Amino acid sequence: RKEVEQDPGPFNVPEGATVAFNCTYSNSASQSFFWYRQDCRKEPKLLMSVYSSGNEDGRFTAQLNRASQYISLLIRDSKLSDSATYLCVVNEGVTGGGNKLTFGTGTQLKVEL
Amino acid sequence: NAGVTQTPKFRILKIGQSMTLQCTQDMNHNYMYWYRQDPGMGLKLIYYSVGAGITDKGEVPNGYNVSRSTTEDFPLRLELAAPSQTSVYFCASSYSSLLDAEAFFGQGTRLTVV
Repeated sequence: RKEVEQDPGPFNVPEGATVAFNCTYSNSASQSFFWYRQDCRKEPKLLMSVYSSGNEDGRFTAQLNRASQYISLLIRDSKLSDSATYLCVVNEGVTGGGNKLTFGTGTQLKVEL
Repeated sequence: NAGVTQTPKFRILKIGQSMTLQCTQDMNHNYMYWYRQDPGMGLKLIYYSVGAGITDKGEVPNGYNVSRSTTEDFPLRLELAAPSQTSVYFCASSYSSLLDAEAFFGQGTRLTVV
């Protein structure tokens, strides 16, 4: 089983649609969770952290379910500029302290007119 | 505010050649990482460092070496380039906190081995 698993997509949605991405992780001891955005041929950039209580940033909502080892990202009112690959990232930590960020392969979103 | 700077941006190597990918950060981050990303794939961790003088292997370390003599610099060395090392290489750095581990990435180095 992959450490961090995502549906690669692509998700093709019309502008204004709501779209949801899911991610599962295998290490139950994982410490923290993130969604990153990567535009074509660019470096990944942090979109938002994911908290157990759920968190929202404008049109974006992230949820974490530790019991099911599942993370989600909801995008409302999709814009053309949301077209990108969304990477699920899990911080597994390492023995003795420290961060070990494991990236999923990403889910590609294409927002169309 | 430069952040994480990688050089070169592009490079073509012949099989068997060596090169060093440079990475430097000006955010005083203890943690630094090297990832590779193959087309249509996620990022795979090559090596990481939790501070100056300390390095450790990631998921795919074979064929690479690193050093961390200063907090700022984390170069990645390819000794005998192979076609399988054709990839995009990203350097990143982050804070030490487990809960605030946002990774800041360089713009990447696109390496082709022919």
